[in-house]
Amino acid sequence: DVKVTQSSRYLVKRTGEKVFLECVQDMDHENMFWYRQDPGLGLRLIYFSYDVKMKEKGDIPEGYSVSREKKERFSLILESASTNQTSMYLCASRRQGNSPLHFGNGTRLTVT
Amino acid sequence: SQKIEQNSEALNIQEGKTATLTCNYTNYSPAYLQWYRQDPGRGPVFLLLIRENEKEKRKERLKVTFDTTLKQSLFHITASQPADSATYLCAPLSGSARQLTFGSGTQLTVLP
Repeated sequence: DVKVTQSSRYLVKRTGEKVFLECVQDMDHENMFWYRQDPGLGLRLIYFSYDVKMKEKGDIPEGYSVSREKKERFSLILESASTNQTSMYLCASRRQGNSPLHFGNGTRLTVT
Repeated sequence: SQKIEQNSEALNIQEGKTATLTCNYTNYSPAYLQWYRQDPGRGPVFLLLIRENEKEKRKERLKVTFDTTLKQSLFHITASQPADSATYLCAPLSGSARQLTFGSGTQLTVLP
């Protein structure tokens, strides 16, 4: 089975801190994604990467950046955390095309 | 702009009945549509994919239909069980798109 591992289950940070969320997948998938999930708003795509060092903005990239230096690892960076970035963050990966997404179990980030 | 709408309210049904969840989309011409299940505190898990040239697809107690004229997919769970209680997400995908956008989900509760 594909495993997508997110480094932290729960994270509490202060406003203005730089925050790194890490995601690792073990199935050599080309595509990797970062979503945030909020009640009533569903899953919203922040960024995705279709190959190493390649990235595209999703629907809500403002305040975030990403890094993909190795195929198995995709990092989400909050340059200066703000309270409105308190959310559940979900990482996913898949092969090319219409393959299903495999999700991690999420990181619940609280910014105080 | 592209829009995906799922049953706006939570759906409660009695054990043993058939649950029917709706996914409507606008300003889309998806070649595929995927359905996922999400349990509280966990990432979504892929259930089924249906292609635009497939009217219906089945997997055990699950059945999905895809009507490109109505721009709608229906997701049925027959002989529902309390263990089917979860949030169900649909994700239409066009053939050329790299991104996967989700509906906000329908929270299904099966009452014993």
